[in-house]
Amino acid sequence: DGGITQSPKYLFRKEGQNVTLSCEQNLNHDAMYWYRQDPGQGLRLIYYSQIVNDFQKGDIAEGYSVSREKKESFPLTVTSAQKNPTAFYLCASSTGLGGTGELFFGEGSRLTVL
Amino acid sequence: AQSVTQLDSQVPVFEEAPVELRCNYSSSVSVYLFWYVQYPNQGLQLLLKYLSGSTLVKSINGFEAEFNKSQTSFHLRKPSVHISDTAEYFCAVSDVRSGGSNYKLTFGKGTLLTVNP
Repeated sequence: DGGITQSPKYLFRKEGQNVTLSCEQNLNHDAMYWYRQDPGQGLRLIYYSQIVNDFQKGDIAEGYSVSREKKESFPLTVTSAQKNPTAFYLCASSTGLGGTGELFFGEGSRLTVL
Repeated sequence: AQSVTQLDSQVPVFEEAPVELRCNYSSSVSVYLFWYVQYPNQGLQLLLKYLSGSTLVKSINGFEAEFNKSQTSFHLRKPSVHISDTAEYFCAVSDVRSGGSNYKLTFGKGTLLTVNP
């Protein structure tokens, strides 16, 4: 079945450590996105990529980094510079330019900083 | 710039009662509209969408939404809710632009629907 796979589903890290969240899609979508979700704040866009080897900052990119070396993969690194990293992270994809903007989401990764 | 306002952050209802979750948007161009549903600790799933044509769109589990261009609204309704409808619901909008530059959705902050027995 086509879809988006995020891993790990739950992750714990100590302060000062970097952590990488995986996102893989087999929908042949050009565009991929990372969102952060906190209670009562809805979804906030961290980074997005419209094509391989290109990505753009979203609304809250500070303390995060991404890469897009393959069409299927868009990993997110939460760095030690992110002051409040505990959150639920959602990866999504869409057909990209020329599409409707409809997003397909993964199941999410919950990061807890101890 | 676009924006989406979901007027109620929480909506408690009793089972089998009707419900309406309100969504208003602002945009200077034509839009596509979406409702997503999120169950606890899961990703978002598309519930229904308006792209063009009939302004009333329906989901397979009994929800419906009506696009009202003059009121810039896309309210979600269900005539009789079930316990299993308890979830968070997000309204979202994207621009219809020639050339397809609508690369991302703008989301509302969500409405938590709680269905009580």
